[in-house]
Amino acid sequence: AQSVTQPDIHITVSEGASLELRCNYSYGATPYLFWYVQSPGQGLQLLLKYFSGDTLVQGIKGFEAEFKRSQSSFNLRKPSVHWSDAAEYFCAVAPGYSSASKIIFGSGTRLSIRP
Amino acid sequence: DADVTQTPRNRITKTGKRIMLECSQTKGHDRMYWYRQDPGLGLRLIYYSFDVKDINKGEISDGYSVSRQAQAKFSLSLESAIPNQTALYFCATSGDREGREQFFGPGTRLTVL
Repeated sequence: AQSVTQPDIHITVSEGASLELRCNYSYGATPYLFWYVQSPGQGLQLLLKYFSGDTLVQGIKGFEAEFKRSQSSFNLRKPSVHWSDAAEYFCAVAPGYSSASKIIFGSGTRLSIRP
Repeated sequence: DADVTQTPRNRITKTGKRIMLECSQTKGHDRMYWYRQDPGLGLRLIYYSFDVKDINKGEISDGYSVSRQAQAKFSLSLESAIPNQTALYFCATSGDREGREQFFGPGTRLTVL
């Protein structure tokens, strides 16, 4: 069965420090991959997506993610976090073929920023 | 104006009551979805609709029903609310053929006492 694992429930980093949020997936074929961010009291906003091509994808707000097929990973990174990055982050996977329409979400990683 | 809106944003109700959550979108998308979010579980799909005449169950549809009144409107109903339906509910839309890229509303926080 398809699944998405975000092994870190909660991460705290200092403002200005670098960030890496982990995401691993289990899928039979190359999936479509997403990172969403949910700020407190808000809906989910798409940060970035990978469909094909360059395995390093750039997103909004200075985030990037790298697809590593050999590791079944799609980790999210940011070189220097800001206090406004405090939020919950969700990795998601969708089938890489056209018959299905469902996105599977990870359980989320809550990011706190230390002043 | 927001592209995907949900009403109400917050609701407290009692066990056994019928509740309807509404979603409207101005994106012109055919595909619409209802998810619930519980702490530590991420988002789980309740129902989804490819168009007005095509409605499908998601992974946790028991206890819920939906109505696609128009392309722009997709309502979720709890016929007889129970406490374990207390959650944050999200509506989403998609305009791409496979529904992979989805746009989310702000959510409805539902509490069932």
